[in-house]
Amino acid sequence: AQKITQTQPGMFVQEKEAVTLDCTYDTSDPSYGLFWYKQPSSGEMIFLIYQGSYDQQNATEGRYSLNFQKARKSANLVISASQLGDSAMYFCAMRGNQFYFGTGTSLTVIP
Amino acid sequence: EPEVTQTPSHQVTQMGQEVILRCVPISNHLYFYWYRQILGQKVEFLVSFYNNEISEKSEIFDDQFSVERPDGSNFTLKIRSTKLEDSAMYFCAPVREGEYTEAFFGQGTRLTVV
Repeated sequence: AQKITQTQPGMFVQEKEAVTLDCTYDTSDPSYGLFWYKQPSSGEMIFLIYQGSYDQQNATEGRYSLNFQKARKSANLVISASQLGDSAMYFCAMRGNQFYFGTGTSLTVIP
Repeated sequence: EPEVTQTPSHQVTQMGQEVILRCVPISNHLYFYWYRQILGQKVEFLVSFYNNEISEKSEIFDDQFSVERPDGSNFTLKIRSTKLEDSAMYFCAPVREGEYTEAFFGQGTRLTVV
């Protein structure tokens, strides 16, 4: 069975600081993809970053980077230089034959 | 430019009524997924649609749900007789052929059953 775990229901970070959102996963598939999404209060699901299970390097997209530790089955999202607009729910997801989502982390950026 | 547009953005319906949610892709989408998110909860898989057929469905996707591609381009999710617990955000997520490194969701339809 595939499973995604996000253990931080809520996080706070000071504006301009970096923050790490945790994600661990469980799968027996040798090939899989890991995704992070941002969901603002408006409700849409915004794709942020992708990491393939065979990728040798950690994925980066602007201020977002994914700290992928395959042996530990973790795929933490790092947001650098936090902005007020980063305040939202963040979901980690894994793709097998469908998407499996974690329960999300609510991030609040403090001015 | 969004990969897909969902309509309506918000729908309020009475319990027992039928609703049809629509997903309009741009082009070249081979797979289509529908998900729902009950307020405050995680996103749950409903059904995947490939080549005009259901390829997989979850236990949530019971006989009250159906998916179609009525005109060869748009995708629809129909709920025949809505229940209060169907109130949720419904997302469609298309995947283009050969692309597995990105997965864009539509902006969602917020369904409220009263």
